[in-house]
Amino acid sequence: QKEVEQNSGPLSVPEGAIASLNCTYSDRGSQSFFWYRQYSGKSPELIMSIYSNGDKEDGRFTAQLNKASQYVSLLIRDSQPSDSATYLCAVNPEAGNTGKLIFGQGTTLQVKP
Amino acid sequence: SAVISQKPSRDICQRGTSLTIQCQVDSQVTMMFWYRQQPGQSLTLIATANQGSEATYESGFVIDKFPISRPNLTFSTLTVSNMSPEDSSIYLCSAAGSVHRGYTFGSGTRLTVV
Repeated sequence: QKEVEQNSGPLSVPEGAIASLNCTYSDRGSQSFFWYRQYSGKSPELIMSIYSNGDKEDGRFTAQLNKASQYVSLLIRDSQPSDSATYLCAVNPEAGNTGKLIFGQGTTLQVKP
Repeated sequence: SAVISQKPSRDICQRGTSLTIQCQVDSQVTMMFWYRQQPGQSLTLIATANQGSEATYESGFVIDKFPISRPNLTFSTLTVSNMSPEDSSIYLCSAAGSVHRGYTFGSGTRLTVV
């Protein structure tokens, strides 16, 4: 079992819709969770971090974490064509030591005008 | 968040040679990491660059192939040694002051080995 799993997609949504991206992780001791956006040919860009169960909102983005289910998701409201990118889920699998991140394989999002 | 300057941005190298990639951070950071990203794939962690001591390598990566230096809290290098075409990839460095501050990535080095 991979440590961090995502559907590779592509996930296609119409402009203005809500895009829902999901991620599961295997290490129950994981403490920190991140969503990165990566445009083709560019390096990953941090868009959201979440550490506690529940929802965290930042503009059009909402991250959701359920540690009991080992599940983290990202909702993008009012999706725009500029949101088309690969979204990478990353997990810090250890409680506060090396701080390394393990990445999922990424979900490609396509927002169609 | 820290800003990272990574160079070179790309290079084409002959097999059997070595390439050293540099990352300079604009502030002191606790953690620095090196990742590899194959075309169309996600990021695979190569190693954690430890300041003043030997790097911590992930399974499948060894020091002889990927020697790493981190002489201070703002700078690190990754060398890809004795290159083969299978080493063609994008190499990325990442840094963070702490886990909770988030991780920044350099712009990446696109390596092609011929």
